[in-house]
Amino acid sequence: DIQMTQSPSSLSASVGDRVTITCQASQDISNYLNWYQQKPGKAPKLLIYDASNLETGVPSRFSGSGSGTDFTFTISSLQPEDIATYYCQQYDNLPRTFGPGTKVDIK
Amino acid sequence: EVQLVESGGGLVQPGGSLRLSCAASGFTFSSYWMSWVRQAPGKGLEWVANIKQDGSEKYYVDSVKGRFTISRDNAKNSLYLQMNSLRAEDTAVYYCARGRDYYRHWGQGTLVTVSS
Repeated sequence: DIQMTQSPSSLSASVGDRVTITCQASQDISNYLNWYQQKPGKAPKLLIYDASNLETGVPSRFSGSGSGTDFTFTISSLQPEDIATYYCQQYDNLPRTFGPGTKVDIK
Repeated sequence: EVQLVESGGGLVQPGGSLRLSCAASGFTFSSYWMSWVRQAPGKGLEWVANIKQDGSEKYYVDSVKGRFTISRDNAKNSLYLQMNSLRAEDTAVYYCARGRDYYRHWGQGTLVTVSS
């Protein structure tokens, strides 16, 4: 199975700050990497697919980059509504696997 | 509007069985792979299984192989997960999701609690 790691596991930042989350795969997954946002008590929401493609309707302050084993997710200017847990997910191989999540809150 | 509505969760004893359903609407159900993803209380997301459009291919995470069966009824626009020999570690919110590689649409989830 492909193991996904994320760092940090949690972070606190101020409104307007740039926030960066990294995701690392245990083997080369090309660009087969997605990012989700999950708010408490809600289903996950797809934000980024294929490592860098912004899902329709998602604000442009969210972005993704990377390929191979190392990926980055960025919020360019943190907003109060971005408080959530963010997960990366690979689809290069079965089983599909998710990272452990990064909890983002406001300082 | 795409809608996925799960049902069938509840409290079950270890070793018991449960069948989850997911009713789909707002899209051509028979054209999409479908998946189940679960989330244990306070934990992260875990992919459980997926099924091809015509049901001819099914894949499972190792921890549920031989115990869970994914199926679908395209005439009823419904996805199912038959869960047998349930264990405490199967306790989770179970989501159905549309897609094979990425999940653009999710249901609200149904809670399965395995406890005596």
